[in-house]
Amino acid sequence: GEDVEQSLFLSVREGDSSVINCTYTDSSSTYLYWYKQEPGAGLQLLTYIFSNMDMKQDQRLTVLLNKKDKHLSLRIADTQTGDSAIYFCAERNTGGFKTIFGAGTRLFVKA
Amino acid sequence: GAVVSQHPSWVICKSGTSVKIECRSLDFQATTMFWYRQFPKQSLMLMATSNEGSKATYEQGVEKDKFLINHASLTLSTLTVTSAHPEDSSFYICSARVQGLGYEQYFGPGTRLTVT
Repeated sequence: GEDVEQSLFLSVREGDSSVINCTYTDSSSTYLYWYKQEPGAGLQLLTYIFSNMDMKQDQRLTVLLNKKDKHLSLRIADTQTGDSAIYFCAERNTGGFKTIFGAGTRLFVKA
Repeated sequence: GAVVSQHPSWVICKSGTSVKIECRSLDFQATTMFWYRQFPKQSLMLMATSNEGSKATYEQGVEKDKFLINHASLTLSTLTVTSAHPEDSSFYICSARVQGLGYEQYFGPGTRLTVT
């Protein structure tokens, strides 16, 4: 079945760039998402990319998609302490009803 | 736009009692709502999917009679945890998908349930 994998933890210094990686198995994935979850809160959609795109940039966020390797990454430029959270990678295919989530990467930003 | 609310945000109940959690889409009509459960430091586990006016579709391993889901209108879905036990303590998150407005799911803030 479909699977989404992420590293569980990332620590960076304030001002540095963060890169969170994700791999997925479903070759028919059409939509790939990045969600942010702050402590005790629900998930906030940060950005998403369609499978026919290689890159998407939105202010400090850059999403890169390597469809051949089924690899998705989220780069956060000039990481701030407020970026500390759990980041979930997720995928869904066109005919799929469910969104499949990774386990989440906990980003810790040191001041 | 596309705000999803949950009520209550946290609840403590005694073992054996039932608890109802509400999920509302505030500024849009949600044809499909999802209920997730999240254990500490873990990902979201999809419990069930509900479409307005029809019975919910439960994921394998989720007890229908224990987790009652009602999607009575396009803006409201409820999850009732019946005869709650301490092992039901968890963070419950609902999500709504907007038909015709793209492919995103919008999430509620979650409800923390503690069963004593």
